[in-house]
Amino acid sequence: QQQVKQSPQSLIVQKGGISIINCAYENTAFDYFPWYQQFPGKGPALLIAIRPDVSEKKEGRFTISFNKSAKQFSLHIMDSQPGDSATYFCAAPSNTGNQFYFGTGTSLTVIP
Amino acid sequence: DTGVSQDPRHKITKRGQNVTFRCDPISEHNRLYWYRQTLGQGPEFLTYFQNEAQLEKSRLLSDRFSAERPKGSFSTLEIQRTEQGDSAMYLCASSLDPTADTQYFGPGTRLTVL
Repeated sequence: QQQVKQSPQSLIVQKGGISIINCAYENTAFDYFPWYQQFPGKGPALLIAIRPDVSEKKEGRFTISFNKSAKQFSLHIMDSQPGDSATYFCAAPSNTGNQFYFGTGTSLTVIP
Repeated sequence: DTGVSQDPRHKITKRGQNVTFRCDPISEHNRLYWYRQTLGQGPEFLTYFQNEAQLEKSRLLSDRFSAERPKGSFSTLEIQRTEQGDSAMYLCASSLDPTADTQYFGPGTRLTVL
C-alpha cells in the first residue's frame, strides 16, 4: 500500500509570504499528482496537479515542483493571502490508478 | 451547478441503525469513488465504480458497508448496524477516464453515530 508523507502538519505565514508544503510518496505506476484544498465542512477541491513530464507547473500564485528521482513534490503558494487559510492535501495514485492515497494534510494559517 | 452532489449533508443516528447516503456524480463521468475522512486525516479510499461495475474495494469496507451504482449514474452507500467508529465525513468523487486522472469531490456527508 502506498504511503504518502506530508509535512509540515501546520504552517503559519504572514500575508504576502511564501507557503511551502512537502510530500513524499513510495511507488506508483502512474504519473499524476494533485494537490487539494479543503475548507472546514467542505469537500476537497482540486487546486493544481502535475504530470511529471515536467518538473514544475505554475498556475497563478500556486506552483508544484516535482522531483521524480527523489519521489517528492511540493506546493509553493506565493504572496499568501488570508483567504488561502485552509487544509491542503497532496495525493499520489495507487498502483492500479483507481484510487489516490492522500497525505495527512497541512493546516495553513495566513496572518493578515 | 454541475458538480458532484451528495445527500444528506449531515446525518445523526443512533448506534445500531442503518443509514444510506446518495451521491450524484458529474453527469458525463463514468468513474465514481467513495472515500471516508476522519478529523485531522486525509480521505481514505473505500470503493470505486466504473459505470455500474464495482471494481475495487478497500479493506476498510467491512461487511456492514455496501455500495451500489445501479444504472451507472448515481450511487448509494449503505452502512448497516452503525457503530460509533463509523462517525466520519463520507466523500464521493467522480472522474472521467483515463486511469489516475482528476477526481472531483462532492461536499461530503457528515455522519455522527451516537
